[in-house]
Amino acid sequence: ETGVTQTPRHLVMGMTNKKSLKCEQHLGHNAMYWYKQSAKKPLELMFVYNFKEQTENNSVPSRFSPECPNSSHLFLHLHTLQPEDSALYLCASSQVTDRAGYEQYFGPGTRLTVT
Amino acid sequence: AQSVTQLDSQVPVFEEAPVELRCNYSSSVSVYLFWYVQYPNQGLQLLLKYLSGSTLVKGINGFEAEFNKSQTSFHLRKPSVHISDTAEYFCAVRPTQGGSEKLVFGKGTKLTVNP
Repeated sequence: ETGVTQTPRHLVMGMTNKKSLKCEQHLGHNAMYWYKQSAKKPLELMFVYNFKEQTENNSVPSRFSPECPNSSHLFLHLHTLQPEDSALYLCASSQVTDRAGYEQYFGPGTRLTVT
Repeated sequence: AQSVTQLDSQVPVFEEAPVELRCNYSSSVSVYLFWYVQYPNQGLQLLLKYLSGSTLVKGINGFEAEFNKSQTSFHLRKPSVHISDTAEYFCAVRPTQGGSEKLVFGKGTKLTVNP
């Protein structure tokens, strides 16, 4: 595997289910991100992990729970979601240093549908 | 805080025609600028970036962009488009300092190249 991978690619879940999204980066980066992409809205940053520490939580509801066990893996645990949570969830990674660069590399996304 | 405005939500063009996708940003601090492309059912891929130096930046697939600090713009151009350039294009910025890895995205421009 190369780049950033995400599983599953598609997920349909009921509002009472619990599921998890998985992201893995094979780039040796030290920062990982979750984004939400909804129709007609800009990409929304949800969480940032830098060296496995959560450094940003953009007022995301508690029904979304991130986990970063190491610098290569990132999970998004989902429970009691709402239909408006249906979206494409994108994972990204980057190498953060004290110098410039910082472009983020994205995975293909998980298309989530909440019924 | 930063914000990004992509002035056109949809741009239809004919194959082999030139195209310009517009991006303006607002920021009280200096920023790095990025253009990403998203093909259907895929994640985002970096097209090009401006960090410093020459204001004309060349990217992949024949795209280029010009940073205009006085007009706070970073428009994307291609002199002759192909059918395969049909995709959604996102402009993004992040501060050069402050330690934040956060990218702020515009709402995107859907480019449709017709035969």
